[in-house]
Amino acid sequence: SYVLTQPPSVSVAPGLTARITCGGNNIGSKSVHWYQQKPGQAPVLVVYDDSDRPSGIPGRFSGSNSGNTATLTISRVEAGDEADYYCQVWDSNTDQGVFGGGTKLTVL
Amino acid sequence: QVQLVQFGAEVKKPGASVKVSCKTSGYTFTSYDIHWVRQATGQGLEWMGWMNPKSGNTGYAQKFQGRLTITRNTFISTAYMELRSLRFEDTAVYYCARRIPCGADCYSFDSWGQGALVTVSS
Repeated sequence: SYVLTQPPSVSVAPGLTARITCGGNNIGSKSVHWYQQKPGQAPVLVVYDDSDRPSGIPGRFSGSNSGNTATLTISRVEAGDEADYYCQVWDSNTDQGVFGGGTKLTVL
Repeated sequence: QVQLVQFGAEVKKPGASVKVSCKTSGYTFTSYDIHWVRQATGQGLEWMGWMNPKSGNTGYAQKFQGRLTITRNTFISTAYMELRSLRFEDTAVYYCARRIPCGADCYSFDSWGQGALVTVSS
């Protein structure tokens, strides 16, 4: 089955840029989606199809995907961005959804 | 606006079954697949399975084959997830999510229910 690998944690100071990676075999050939989850809440889609943003998501959130790594970039990080972030793809070989293990973003 | 509403919490004994509902509104229920994702306390998201509300077709993660059934009632725009032969490790928050197309071979979960806690305890 397809595996997505994320770093368990990323720390960044307010105002700086956070980058959260998601590794997978030839992930660049897949559409990658990113979800933000705050404690006690359901996940929220923040980036879809590698780099598009749903309405209502700030432009500070962006994404890229190439080769074996997809990246979620959060610019000008704010305290309110502190959350767990998950990448997700659809594995068409098995017709199953796949999530990365999640990355806890800490704003210092 | 699109809403997926899940009700309450359940406590079940090992070996029992649980059926979690997901009532949708704000869109045509039969237009988009419903997926189920679970999350054990302090753990990550785990995809479980999907259902096409129009056809009733389903697909399940290998891990849950034989224990999981996803159904729907189109008259009340509600999807259901039933998990049988519960084990302690099935204790988790169970989410339903709507999957929408976002391009060629591209689908994302744009709306989620608030989750339903299922506790398996003797």
